[in-house]
Amino acid sequence: KNEVEQSPQNLTAQEGEFITINCSYSVGISALHWLQQHPGGGIVSLFMLSSGKKKHGRLIATINIQEKHSSLHITASHPRDSAVYICAVRSLIQGAQKLVFGQGTRLTINP
Amino acid sequence: DTGVSQDPRHKITKRGQNVTFRCDPISEHNRLYWYRQTLGQGPEFLTYFQNEAQLEKSRLLSDRFSAERPKGSFSTLEIQRTEQGDSAMYLCASSSLIYEQFFGPGTRLTVL
Repeated sequence: KNEVEQSPQNLTAQEGEFITINCSYSVGISALHWLQQHPGGGIVSLFMLSSGKKKHGRLIATINIQEKHSSLHITASHPRDSAVYICAVRSLIQGAQKLVFGQGTRLTINP
Repeated sequence: DTGVSQDPRHKITKRGQNVTFRCDPISEHNRLYWYRQTLGQGPEFLTYFQNEAQLEKSRLLSDRFSAERPKGSFSTLEIQRTEQGDSAMYLCASSSLIYEQFFGPGTRLTVL
C-alpha cells in the first residue's frame, strides 16, 4: 500500500461543477502539499498546509490531521482547470526533507 | 525569469550512452531536490542537497546515477550507461528554510 493514496484517479466533469479530490496518507507528517501538473510536465505548488483550511481564488484545501486526510476543492470549475492534481506529504521523521507523492488525479473539465 | 530552470527540456539518447542534466534553482534557495516521474505516476524522490552537501539519497539512485552541486548553486544529475528503464521525466525543485518547494519544468529523457 502506498503511503499516499489519492482518489479518484480520473475525474471528468462539466464546466461549473464543484470538484473534490481526496488524499489519504499513512505516515505522520509535518506538511501536506497540493500540486498541479499540466501536460508537458511543469509542476506548480498550489497549497502547503499542516492544519485547517486554506483558500486561494476558486481553490480550497482542507486537512484533518487526526484522520490523515486532505481534500482539494475547486468551485465553479473551468476547462483551464484540466490538469493532474498531486498530493504530496513531508514526513515527520526528524530531518526528513523529501516529499512523498500520490499517484495524481487526472481532472478533465468539459465546456 | 527567477524560477527554477532545467536544461535540456528533452533528451533522446541510445541505450548505453551517458547523459547529464542541469538544474538552476531559485537563487536564494539553499535546498535542491531531484525527483523522477514515470508516465502516469507521481514523482519519486531521488536525492536532496543542502547547499553543496548531498544529505539524502534514495535507493532508486543506483550506482549509475550521480548528482553534484559543487558550489551550492546549480546542480547536475548524470546517468551513466543509460537503460530503457531510465526513460522518465526528471524534475528539479528548490526551497528555502520555509520548506515550500518550487519545481522546474523538468527534463524528459527517452532512451531508445
